[in-house]
Amino acid sequence: NAGVTQTPKFRILKIGQSMTLQCTQDMNHNYMYWYRQDPGMGLKLIYYSVGAGITDKGEVPNGYNVSRSTTEDFPLRLELAAPSQTSVYFCASSYAGLTYEQYFGPGTRLTVT
Amino acid sequence: GQQVMQIPQYQHVQEGEDFTTYCNSSTTLSNIQWYKQRPGGHPVFLIQLVKSGEVKKQKRLTFQFGEAKKNSSLHITATQTTDVGTYFCAGAGGTSYGKLTFGQGTILTVHP
Repeated sequence: NAGVTQTPKFRILKIGQSMTLQCTQDMNHNYMYWYRQDPGMGLKLIYYSVGAGITDKGEVPNGYNVSRSTTEDFPLRLELAAPSQTSVYFCASSYAGLTYEQYFGPGTRLTVT
Repeated sequence: GQQVMQIPQYQHVQEGEDFTTYCNSSTTLSNIQWYKQRPGGHPVFLIQLVKSGEVKKQKRLTFQFGEAKKNSSLHITATQTTDVGTYFCAGAGGTSYGKLTFGQGTILTVHP
């Protein structure tokens, strides 16, 4: 199993541009998550999904959108990139909810200039 | 909303010294998880604690969950250079269905 994969690994965007961060898992996990990690700030939840077709906001959803059309894929969309969105983005998945460990992808390092 | 605070933010130790990081929640937790992130890497699950007062050990690592289920600690005995990285606690409360709240992490540096 590849686990959780994310593309791209690195990206530089100009202010106002849009992009989609891809996330795929091959563990048949129901729950998927998007986090952002800023230096010294831990992980902040952006959006999460408890199954195909079901998504909900996390702690910091503004400026982002998600969709979950399949169990495997959970893309994160940035519509109008802003410098405040410069961060490392991690996708994660878990078999179920709170009492199951989360498996993280390798991350996407995004810079908005 | 639920807050999880972790201290210290940084810790420098000499190889062989012990290390402890503490995690405190503003609300009672249903369970707490610990993750380790190596420099440049992604978080990797270490352990989960569920019961009040629970203590679990993994080789040189000892994890504790407080009696009130509002705090936790990770203790590493005789640190090694392979222990370097950031250690995160992540708590789940009764109203945070499907979501973990992560602490800001403790960055551990081990000097050989």
